[in-house]
Amino acid sequence: ETGVTQTPRHLVMGMTNKKSLKCEQHLGHNAMYWYKQSAKKPLELMFVYNFKEQTENNSVPSRFSPECPNSSHLFLHLHTLQPEDSALYLCASSQERGGSGTQYFGPGTRLTVL
Amino acid sequence: SQQGEEDPQALSIQEGENATMNCSYKTSINNLQWYRQNSGRGLVHLILIRSNEREKHSGRLRVTLDTSKKSSSLLITASRAADTASYFCATDDMFSGGYNKLIFGAGTRLAVHP
Repeated sequence: ETGVTQTPRHLVMGMTNKKSLKCEQHLGHNAMYWYKQSAKKPLELMFVYNFKEQTENNSVPSRFSPECPNSSHLFLHLHTLQPEDSALYLCASSQERGGSGTQYFGPGTRLTVL
Repeated sequence: SQQGEEDPQALSIQEGENATMNCSYKTSINNLQWYRQNSGRGLVHLILIRSNEREKHSGRLRVTLDTSKKSSSLLITASRAADTASYFCATDDMFSGGYNKLIFGAGTRLAVHP
């Protein structure tokens, strides 16, 4: 799990709070992803960044705002969330253009919105 | 739309038995991958099989792919309690525009009892 790290591991926030999730990859990859995993639902792709450019926004509400300052770091800024946003948020990275197609995941941030 | 769908949703076996999980998908793929997730943690890549391969082995894992039926199976032989986890298949989107977009199924929850 040291290849992709995520902080914090657990986060409890109120609906009016602003918080940020951080992801860092130490694998030299050039693509990074945010996924949402809710109970009993398939993993949902939220955002994709390829060479620091956002290439996918999977109809995610604007209360989730991603930021990718460089190919090693990815943030997810949270604002005015709803209780149904409580979930495990997973970050992943991969090597595009010549990579195997494998994604490497961080341990996730367990988010609870009160 | 959901690409991979695993079957069964849950599987409970005794240590030493074999565990078989199946995955079906809908569209053409470049490859299919299997991932494992321990409770509340990130996903770990297990094995990748390309569309021109029919079978692949890695340790106690055996994966088959039948592109005519759009299905794959993951066999874990001589299971151990430590194999208890959720297992997901993931297919790539062949028309995703050059980056590695994976679509995950809902997963099979495997419980191996000592």
